[in-house]
Amino acid sequence: AQSVTQLDSQVPVFEEAPVELRCNYSSSVSVYLFWYVQYPNQGLQLLLKYLSGSTLVKGINGFEAEFNKSQTSFHLRKPSVHISDTAEYFCASWRGNTDKLIFGTGTRLQVFP
Amino acid sequence: DTGVSQDPRHKITKRGQNVTFRCDPISEHNRLYWYRQTLGQGPEFLTYFQNEAQLEKSRLLSDRFSAERPKGSFSTLEIQRTEQGDSAMYLCASSLPPGAAYEQYFGPGTRLTVT
Repeated sequence: AQSVTQLDSQVPVFEEAPVELRCNYSSSVSVYLFWYVQYPNQGLQLLLKYLSGSTLVKGINGFEAEFNKSQTSFHLRKPSVHISDTAEYFCASWRGNTDKLIFGTGTRLQVFP
Repeated sequence: DTGVSQDPRHKITKRGQNVTFRCDPISEHNRLYWYRQTLGQGPEFLTYFQNEAQLEKSRLLSDRFSAERPKGSFSTLEIQRTEQGDSAMYLCASSLPPGAAYEQYFGPGTRLTVT
């Protein structure tokens, strides 16, 4: 069965510092991977996705992620965070024959001034 | 294109009452998904439609839950005889079929509180 593990439930960081949010997936077949962001009382917005090709994926708002097949990871990074990046971040996987997204439990990014 | 909309945004109901939520997807999207999100958790898949056909239902979707998409456009999710454990955010998402972009666009959600 496919699953997604987000290793950190909360990540506190100061403004302008770099950040990495960790995500590991488990699947015996090829997966497609996504990072979504959720601001308070809102739905989810897609940050970036990996379907195939280059393992370094760039997304919106300066975020990027690297697909690492040998470590089954898809960590999200940003070199310099802003206060406005404070939100919940969800890693998700999609396996073609299941037709649905499987989400991790989320990481709360809290950016302090 | 106004995005995915959901109505109502908030619903407070007493245990045992029935509730119905509505989702309007992006107009050209023929896939529509329902997810449930409880506090501190990621969204969990409930069911999805391609056009008007309901193609998959999670075992999370008990007999008290029913979803419809009668004309392949908007969808409704009904919960009968609500229980306190039904309190959650109910999210709707729409997309083109997989193979196109795999991207699901989410609505703002309906927050249900059962007292």
